[in-house]
Amino acid sequence: KQEVTQIPAALSVPEGENLVLNCSFTDSAIYNLQWFRQDPGKGLTSLLLIQSSQREQTSGRLNASLDKSSGRSTLYIAASQPGDSATYLCAVRYNQGGKLIFGQGTELSVKP
Amino acid sequence: GAVVSQHPSWVICKSGTSVKIECRSLDFQATTMFWYRQFPKQSLMLMATSNEGSKATYEQGVEKDKFLINHASLTLSTLTVTSAHPEDSSFYICSASSDSYGYTFGSGTRLTVV
Repeated sequence: KQEVTQIPAALSVPEGENLVLNCSFTDSAIYNLQWFRQDPGKGLTSLLLIQSSQREQTSGRLNASLDKSSGRSTLYIAASQPGDSATYLCAVRYNQGGKLIFGQGTELSVKP
Repeated sequence: GAVVSQHPSWVICKSGTSVKIECRSLDFQATTMFWYRQFPKQSLMLMATSNEGSKATYEQGVEKDKFLINHASLTLSTLTVTSAHPEDSSFYICSASSDSYGYTFGSGTRLTVV
């Protein structure tokens, strides 16, 4: 069964800290992996998309890595800010046009 | 980047009535769109895959006669909740896929059935 797991479920850090969110998937034959952010009561905002042939993607303070062989991805957030507080979701896709399989998310709180 | 517009953002309706939610891809064509439901503090649950010009594919346990999906063009998919009841109250989100940007999600629709 293809499953995605995110650890931790919740994380609270003081402003300015660097942090890492973890995502693991049971079937390593992914097509791509995507990290999203969701604010309460809102839709999902795509943060980073990593194709299966890529090892990492960067956007501003965010860096996502992908290790297919171990079935893992990490989202690194540098110099965290209160505005980063949200739920972060990891999702994988196994074929072009196929459905996303989501992790349960990590709820991040960055305290001023 | 790819943009998906979803309307309405919230709706309140009486029990027994039907509600239509629209999902549009604004700057790309989407042969496939997806409809999700989300309960508080939970991740997204895929309800159905909407295919342009053909019938939608529903996930196990989702009533296709209650949640009608129409994907009549490459930029528009609609979800109609028929004969809505309070247990249908939820947050519904659509998404569309493109090769360049992966999945792009709409802003969601908060449905409250009273």
